[in-house]
Amino acid sequence: KNQVEQSPQSLIILEGKNCTLQCNYTVSPFSNLRWYKQDTGRGPVSLTIMTFSENTKSNGRYTATLDADTKQSSLHITASQLSDSASYICVVRARYGGATNKLIFGTGTLLAVQP
Amino acid sequence: DVKVTQSSRYLVKRTGEKVFLECVQDMDHENMFWYRQDPGLGLRLIYFSYDVKMKEKGDIPEGYSVSREKKERFSLILESASTNQTSMYLCASSRLAGGPNTGELFFGEGSRLTVL
Repeated sequence: KNQVEQSPQSLIILEGKNCTLQCNYTVSPFSNLRWYKQDTGRGPVSLTIMTFSENTKSNGRYTATLDADTKQSSLHITASQLSDSASYICVVRARYGGATNKLIFGTGTLLAVQP
Repeated sequence: DVKVTQSSRYLVKRTGEKVFLECVQDMDHENMFWYRQDPGLGLRLIYFSYDVKMKEKGDIPEGYSVSREKKERFSLILESASTNQTSMYLCASSRLAGGPNTGELFFGEGSRLTVL
């Protein structure tokens, strides 16, 4: 069964600290993996996309990694800011082809950054 | 700036009422989607459409229907609202599959529906 599991469910850190969010998946065949950030009361916004051949990709203070062999991804946030408080959702696309590729969503990690 | 606009941010309806949720995108995307988001369950796909007048059932279509009469507009319809349909509803759009950014979803702000 195609699944995406994220850990931890929630996390509290102090402003300025780093943190790492985890995403494990069992999706096959794999196409790509995206991390989305969802601010409270808003829709999710894409942070990064990882394809099979990519190991690391950065977007400002956000760095995503992918290990396709172990089917694990992480999102590392450096020097956290209050505005990083949000839910972070891992989404894996299964490669069935065409316009109806299957997206499998994780349930998200809720991050709270405190001053 | 690309945009997906949902017609209502907050709605309160009574059991049995018909509910329309509308979504408009200005990116000329072929694909449009309706998801519901509940705590602990993540996003679940209700319906999607890859072309005008085309629709496909997602994972939880029961109790819902959709309409796509124009490329930019995708409507979600609850024929007879029930309390278990209280949820956050998110509309999204994306380009047709293919290309380096295949599959990025652009979401609306969400519509929080409460059914009493």
